[in-house]
Amino acid sequence: GENVEQHPSTLSVQEGDSAVIKCTYSDSASNYFPWYKQELGKRPQLIIDIRSNVGEKKDQRIAVTLNKTAKHFSLHITETQPEDSAVYFCAARAWRFGNEKLTFGTGTRLTIIP
Amino acid sequence: NAGVTQTPKFRILKIGQSMTLQCAQDMNHNYMYWYRQDPGMGLKLIYYSVGAGITDKGEVPNGYNVSRSTTEDFPLRLELAAPSQTSVYFCASSLTSGSPAESTDTQYFGPGTRLTVL
Repeated sequence: GENVEQHPSTLSVQEGDSAVIKCTYSDSASNYFPWYKQELGKRPQLIIDIRSNVGEKKDQRIAVTLNKTAKHFSLHITETQPEDSAVYFCAARAWRFGNEKLTFGTGTRLTIIP
Repeated sequence: NAGVTQTPKFRILKIGQSMTLQCAQDMNHNYMYWYRQDPGMGLKLIYYSVGAGITDKGEVPNGYNVSRSTTEDFPLRLELAAPSQTSVYFCASSLTSGSPAESTDTQYFGPGTRLTVL
């Protein structure tokens, strides 16, 4: 089955600097890669996603890049703000009809230092 | 729309007791999922359903059962609760079509149920 590894497990960044979180996946059939943000005590919420036919996607201060050859994808947050402090999860899904489920990474706890 | 709702929010069980965690969605999503999240850890899939009457095991199904009699509801049953089942349980749903190009795929999560087994 799919295996998703996420690094680093914790990350501290000065406010205003950039943060990068990296994930690798094992299943070459994976074609959908979402990123979820989970604030303390809250539910995970989708912040950005990318499909395998696209190499990069951007939404304001957040961007995701995908390297299918190397089987890795990354989340980039620029101009970080205190409200970016949270746990971020990457995930991957291999498309097999009737078996569409996400495999999540273990999470990165991002702390923005004021 | 209320989205994905879960009840109860909190529950304390004694070892050996049973309970049902309720999950409902009003978005007409076909897929529904149950995850557990242990403290400081990631999300592990317990069971999922691709539509009413169809369920399948995820990564950690032992000790749990599910049913999906309607599109809206996806209850999770714990039989003979054990301390290892202490966790936060999240239900999620998504609208997933037969075509990867058409499917929206986004999973919407409920607020979670915090379960403690003593």
